[in-house]
Amino acid sequence: GAVVSQHPSRVICKSGTSVKIECRSLDFQATTMFWYRQFPKQSLMLMATSNEGSKATYEQGVEKDKFLINHASLTLSTLTVTSAHPEDSSFYICSAEMKRVSRSETQYFGPGTRLLVL
Amino acid sequence: AQSVTQPDIHITVSEGASLELRCNYSYGATPYLFWYVQSPGQGLQLLLKYFSGDTLVQGIKGFEAEFKRSQSSFNLRKPSVHWSDAAEYFCAVGPPGFQKLVFGTGTRLLVSP
Repeated sequence: GAVVSQHPSRVICKSGTSVKIECRSLDFQATTMFWYRQFPKQSLMLMATSNEGSKATYEQGVEKDKFLINHASLTLSTLTVTSAHPEDSSFYICSAEMKRVSRSETQYFGPGTRLLVL
Repeated sequence: AQSVTQPDIHITVSEGASLELRCNYSYGATPYLFWYVQSPGQGLQLLLKYFSGDTLVQGIKGFEAEFKRSQSSFNLRKPSVHWSDAAEYFCAVGPPGFQKLVFGTGTRLLVSP
């Protein structure tokens, strides 16, 4: 149980184009989903937190107009990198917090999406 | 502000030997503590977590971790390492009732034959 998927697993795009990454909780409802960015050989940096049906909360320094997050349902969140540039190339990982009657306090991570912008 | 320190960037252990990965945190109260493992090109898998209670926590794949409040530490241990344990290990901290996780910089484990 508690499986999170991401699609696509890797994507190559041209500079200036937009890329959408999907994050799905397959067997549970996610109260909250998180988007992280990981640079090579570095730790995960939280980009934003999204709750179903409301606007995402972005971390300081993250451009909300560049990284559009939509959390349309309790099982799906999307991250759209708009007008991508080579410096946006990275490994993007989502996680989901399980919705329960009581607090869940555990995040389940997706397998990540490797983005390469040429 | 919360922070997590993993002082060892990489560690090499012989297969069958014991393992201890260090994690120190900075937080005003007792946070929620986690250990995750990441295989190359993959997402993170939860190994174990500590919220409260018994300070020795058992996780998956034979891993355990001990919370030591006096040392602000949450070190990960395994008595006998297998070659498949080679991966990146991340310690993370989150406040109780919690939303954001703060990750350490990770420790890369190499397993020698």
